[in-house]
Amino acid sequence: GAVVSQHPSWVICKSGTSVKIECRSLDFQATTMFWYRQFPKQSLMLMATSNEGSKATYEQGVEKDKFLINHASLTLSTLTVTSAHPEDSSFYICSASSFASYNEQFFGPGTRLTVL
Amino acid sequence: GENVEQHPSTLSVQEGDSAVIKCTYSDSASNYFPWYKQELGKRPQLIIDIRSNVGEKKDQRIAVTLNKTAKHFSLHITETQPEDSAVYFCAASRGAYDMRFGAGTRLTVKP
Repeated sequence: GAVVSQHPSWVICKSGTSVKIECRSLDFQATTMFWYRQFPKQSLMLMATSNEGSKATYEQGVEKDKFLINHASLTLSTLTVTSAHPEDSSFYICSASSFASYNEQFFGPGTRLTVL
Repeated sequence: GENVEQHPSTLSVQEGDSAVIKCTYSDSASNYFPWYKQELGKRPQLIIDIRSNVGEKKDQRIAVTLNKTAKHFSLHITETQPEDSAVYFCAASRGAYDMRFGAGTRLTVKP
């Protein structure tokens, strides 16, 4: 149980285009989903927290107009990187939790974004 | 906000030896402390976690200790094996929220 998927697993795009990443909880209802970014050889950095049906809460320094997050259902959250630039190239990982999981976050497999 | 420091950044041990990784946190409201193992290009895998009402937890070769007063917690791996080689991250959070990760420790177990 507690499986989280992400799609796509990797994406290459041109500078200036937008990219959408999907995060799905496959076998449980995720009341909260989290988005992280991880640069090579660095740690995971929390970008934003989203609760189903509410606006996402962004961490300091994360541009909400650039990283659009939608959490429209209890099993799906999307992250859209708008007008991507090479410095946005990173490994994006989502996680999901529920009331029943009592603190534990279940991580998706990550999406490798490369902006040319 | 929470700040998590992790040491050492790299650790090399001989197969069969023990490995210890230490973390400190700053937010006294943090009550959940997971440890993750991450292999290159993969998702973090939870290997053990501890909550603030417990001082120690063990699962086979892995153990975690928590000192709430000093705000530090440690991961202990005994009888290390080459397949334990990976990057390990500690984290601290308030419930499921505001999870902050340490910088990571690259563990190498030499056969």
